[in-house]
Amino acid sequence: KAGVTQTPRYLIKTRGQQVTLSCSPISGHRSVSWYQQTPGQGLQFLFEYFSETQRNKGNFPGRFSGRQFSNSRSEMNVSTLELGDSALYLCASSPGTSGNTGELFFGEGSRLTVL
Amino acid sequence: GENVEQHPSTLSVQEGDSAVIKCTYSDSASNYFPWYKQELGKGPQLIIDIRSNVGEKKDQRIAVTLNKTAKHFSLHITETQPEDSAVYFCAAISIGGNTPLVFGKGTRLSVIA
Repeated sequence: KAGVTQTPRYLIKTRGQQVTLSCSPISGHRSVSWYQQTPGQGLQFLFEYFSETQRNKGNFPGRFSGRQFSNSRSEMNVSTLELGDSALYLCASSPGTSGNTGELFFGEGSRLTVL
Repeated sequence: GENVEQHPSTLSVQEGDSAVIKCTYSDSASNYFPWYKQELGKGPQLIIDIRSNVGEKKDQRIAVTLNKTAKHFSLHITETQPEDSAVYFCAAISIGGNTPLVFGKGTRLSVIA
């Protein structure tokens, strides 16, 4: 069974640009969560989608957005990039149905560098 | 909301020694406590978990303990090996609820051969 796939793995952008990251969950998983990982801050929750609906949102500015498609694939977008957005963005899928199960399967992440 | 504190942030041990990582949580509604291991260049991977109706759980060289009263839970690794070197994250969540999994800030474990 294929794991969670994230693309691109690495990307470099400049301040003010926007970026779109993609995530394909494990087959059959309908829940997709996104986390931002930075040194010293650990894993900070961005948002979670289940059956194309945003189920939860973390404390990030409106520049961070996401969506989920009918095949459970998800994208997240960051507009007007700032230097502080440089981070590893991790996507995780879960077999959860109603409510959270707590067991997340992570991809290898997309490392974003903002210059 | 839930807040998870994790200590220490870095830990170095000699091969064969034990390592202990401690976490505290704030939300008494949390009832599931997983531990994730992140190796270099990879995403975190679940290695063990414990539910609030259990005080201790073991899986070979790793064990987790939970003290619900004190809202503490710990990861114990015995007979450490170089391949145990990684970043470990604790987390907490209320299963079936509407809140996401909240992680601690991680512990970088180095096992020195």
